[in-house]
Amino acid sequence: SQQGEEDPQALSIQEGENATMNCSYKTSINNLQWYRQNSGRGLVHLILIRSNEREKHSGRLRVTLDTSKKSSSLLITASRAADTASYFCATDLNAGNNRKLIWGLGTSLAVNP
Amino acid sequence: DAGVIQSPRHEVTEMGQEVTLRCKPISGHDYLFWYRQTMMRGLELLIYFNNNVPIDDSGMPEDRFSAKMPNASFSTLKIQPSEPRDSAVYFCASARTGRNEKLFFGSGTQLSVL
Repeated sequence: SQQGEEDPQALSIQEGENATMNCSYKTSINNLQWYRQNSGRGLVHLILIRSNEREKHSGRLRVTLDTSKKSSSLLITASRAADTASYFCATDLNAGNNRKLIWGLGTSLAVNP
Repeated sequence: DAGVIQSPRHEVTEMGQEVTLRCKPISGHDYLFWYRQTMMRGLELLIYFNNNVPIDDSGMPEDRFSAKMPNASFSTLKIQPSEPRDSAVYFCASARTGRNEKLFFGSGTQLSVL
C-alpha cells in the first residue's frame, strides 16, 4: 500500500506562479524525498529532507517537513514551462537496514506558458 | 557517468511469451531496485538487491516473476509466462550504501502484453 499521499492530484498554473504540492504519510520516517518524472522518462531525485530537519532549499525548490503532522510540502517558485512533470514523494521508513521507499501516487503539474 | 541503463526501451509481446528486462546500474552502486509503474497502482517496488543478493522480494506479484543479479553490473527481471495485466512501465534504479542516499532511475521499459 502507498503510504505517501500527494495532493493535489493535478495542478495547472501559469508560468511565473508558484506551485505547492503536499505529501502526507502515516508512520515515522528516517527521511522524505521528492522526485520529478517527465513524461516517458524515469524519476529524477530533487531533494531529500531528514526527519530532524524542518526546511530545505535547492535553487527554486523549497521543502518543508512537519513530523508532528506527518506531512511535507514542495514549493516551486517562479515556475517555468519546463517544470511540467509529475512530482512524487517517497518516505524512507525508520526501519533498520530496510531500503524500501514508500511512494505516493504523485501530483501532475502543468505550467502553462 | 552513463547513468542506469535499461533495455529494451519498449517491448511488445503476446500473452504466454517469456519477457526479459535488463538493467545495468551505475558503477559503484551496491543497491539495485526493480519497480513497476501503472496508472492505477502507481510505483510499486518488486524486489531489491544489496551487493547482488536479493533482500526483499515481497513485492514480486507471483511465481511468474523472477529477478537475478549475477554480478554488480547486471540484473534481469523475467516474466514467464507473461499476461496482459503485466503491461506497465518497469524501472530499474540503483543507489549507494547509506540511509540518505538517493535513487537513480533508468528510463524504463514500456511493456505491452497483448
